[in-house]
Order: sequence, then C-alpha cells, then structure tokens
Amino acid sequence: DAGITQSPRHKVTETGTPVTLRCHQTENHRYMYWYRQDPGHGLRLIHYSYGVKDTDKGEVSDGYSVSRSKTEDFLLTLESATSSQTSVYFCAILEPGQGVSGELFFGEGSRLTVL
Amino acid sequence: AQRVTQPEKLLSVFKGAPVELKCNYSYSGSPELFWYVQYSRQRLQLLLRHISRESIKGFTADLNKGETSFHLKKPFAQEEDSAMYYCALSVSGTYKYIFGTGTRLKVLA
Repeated sequence: DAGITQSPRHKVTETGTPVTLRCHQTENHRYMYWYRQDPGHGLRLIHYSYGVKDTDKGEVSDGYSVSRSKTEDFLLTLESATSSQTSVYFCAILEPGQGVSGELFFGEGSRLTVL
Repeated sequence: AQRVTQPEKLLSVFKGAPVELKCNYSYSGSPELFWYVQYSRQRLQLLLRHISRESIKGFTADLNKGETSFHLKKPFAQEEDSAMYYCALSVSGTYKYIFGTGTRLKVLA
C-alpha cells in the first residue's frame, strides 16, 4: 500500500459539532485530495491541495474547510457537522507519472456518522 | 463543466459472459480518462488509463472522442471481477480528478 493513512477510521458525532479528519502520507507527494463517497453519487471531490498552504475547492466544498501546513498532512474540517455530511471520506495522494497523468492512491476511508 | 456519467448503478452478469461498463464524459479539452476499481475490503485502486492503451486483468477500454465515451470491456467475466468500478477524468492543467457515480459489477456463478 502507498504510505497513506486516515484517522479516525470511524466517528459518530452530533449535529453542530466540529469534526476534523486527518490524512497522513509518507510519500512526500505534492498533491492530496479529499473525496466523499455516497450511494448514487459516487466519489465527489471536496477539496484538494497542490502544496503546503495551497488548496482549491472541488465539486462539493460547501461546509468543509481544509488545511495543509506540512507536506505530509492534509486536514479536512467540518466546522459544524450536519446529517447530510454523513458519508465515507477518502483521502488520496497523486503519484506523478512520467509524461502521463499520475496515479491516485487512496486511503482506507473514514466513515463519519452525524446524528 | 466537466462531468463523468456512468448510467448503470448495478450490472449483473454470469461468469464467462462478456462485460461492458459504460462511461460517458463531458469535457471541452483533450481528456485523460481512467478506470478505478474497489474490491470488497480493499482500497480504491487504478485499473487502467486510456493513454497507456493497456489491458489489465483482461479489461480494456477505448476512448471514443466522437461519442465521448470510455467504456470498460472484458470478454469473459470472472467471479473475482465483482467490485465497484469508477470512471474518472483528469482535468487538464488543474490536477483535479473527477469521478463518476460508479457501477457495481456482480459476476454470478
């Protein structure tokens, strides 16, 4: 497995509470991503990062913020969790290709339940 | 806007039958397309990319720019092919990767 870990792997929280998910990589790759996976919607990009302190929005960024203060860590924060944010969250890192698009390596996922 | 469409949520086929998982895309530039697969209890992983024109685990996918499609095919399905398959598009110049809604393939014995 690529050196990418997510924590926590499972979390149950209540509506209105803040939640932070952590993605940690040991590969020193520049690009990191947060996706959410929902039945019927597939994988949707929340935010991604192209370097330390460099981030950009994805398709479904409302209600989420991210931070990347170190190459190895990419944090996803739900400032005030809502039930619609119940999902499985995947972090990914991009291993660059040689003259072609790189390959995404995914973490194992973090299952978040907002009651 | 960029979009990847996978019209089938679930595809069931019998072992040994041909498989085709459909993927259509909407993109104004020159697309780079991929298929990712998620087997049960495993991480999502790259299956193949169009630019490599490779065959992995017997699967192939041809980019048809006229029909804006990148369908995944295998002539003879195996039970171990049962998984969730995602088509993905790389947005040129941004390093964004957009995924489709996924198709669950079930290969029946």
